[in-house]
Amino acid sequence: LAKTTQPISMDSYEGQEVNITCSHNNIATNDYITWYQQFPSQGPRFIIQGYKTKVTNEVASLFIPADRKSSTLSLPRVSLSDTAVYYCLVGDNYGQNFVFGPGTRLSVLP
Amino acid sequence: NAGVTQTPKFQVLKTGQSMTLQCAQDMNHNSMYWYRQDPGMGLRLIYYSASEGTTDKGEVPNGYNVSRLNKREFSLRLESAAPSQTSVYFCASSVLQGATNEKLFFGSGTQLSVL
Repeated sequence: LAKTTQPISMDSYEGQEVNITCSHNNIATNDYITWYQQFPSQGPRFIIQGYKTKVTNEVASLFIPADRKSSTLSLPRVSLSDTAVYYCLVGDNYGQNFVFGPGTRLSVLP
Repeated sequence: NAGVTQTPKFQVLKTGQSMTLQCAQDMNHNSMYWYRQDPGMGLRLIYYSASEGTTDKGEVPNGYNVSRLNKREFSLRLESAAPSQTSVYFCASSVLQGATNEKLFFGSGTQLSVL
């Protein structure tokens, strides 16, 4: 399973765009990149998944360069309610190998 | 559509007591999982069930047992609770473990304190 590295914490202000980068140098050919969001006292929630180039949904965008050794989660115009921990996961064999690291703790300030 | 439902939401045990955490999903998913999350840390996999009738150990299985009662339900049992098992427990489900684009759906968690 490809190991991921992401910043432990980030601060932002309301209305700004936030970009969280995840490094996964050992990503395998079949691996997808998946991001989860976790609010306090709740379970993680799937927000976006991609394999290459760019993926966009109503919540976020995911940018993946051609070499796929990193990915960037982009949250447009964040609000206070986007304060959460964001996890980047990479791998094609979930279950036993579905490893959540400490994630990135995003704090959105007024 | 409730998704993944966990009971209870909170529980306090004394050391040595036993209890079972219940989890049910209504999404017709094949695979189910139990994680624990300690303060300020990521989630660690305790056990998982790839399909009805099968269970496998995850990263931290010691002190726990599981039962995949049917396709909907996956329970976690602590036979003799220890203070080190104080944690928040999350149940999750997915369509099919091992799929290349797997997505997990989580319950709201059970906060367990062992005194």
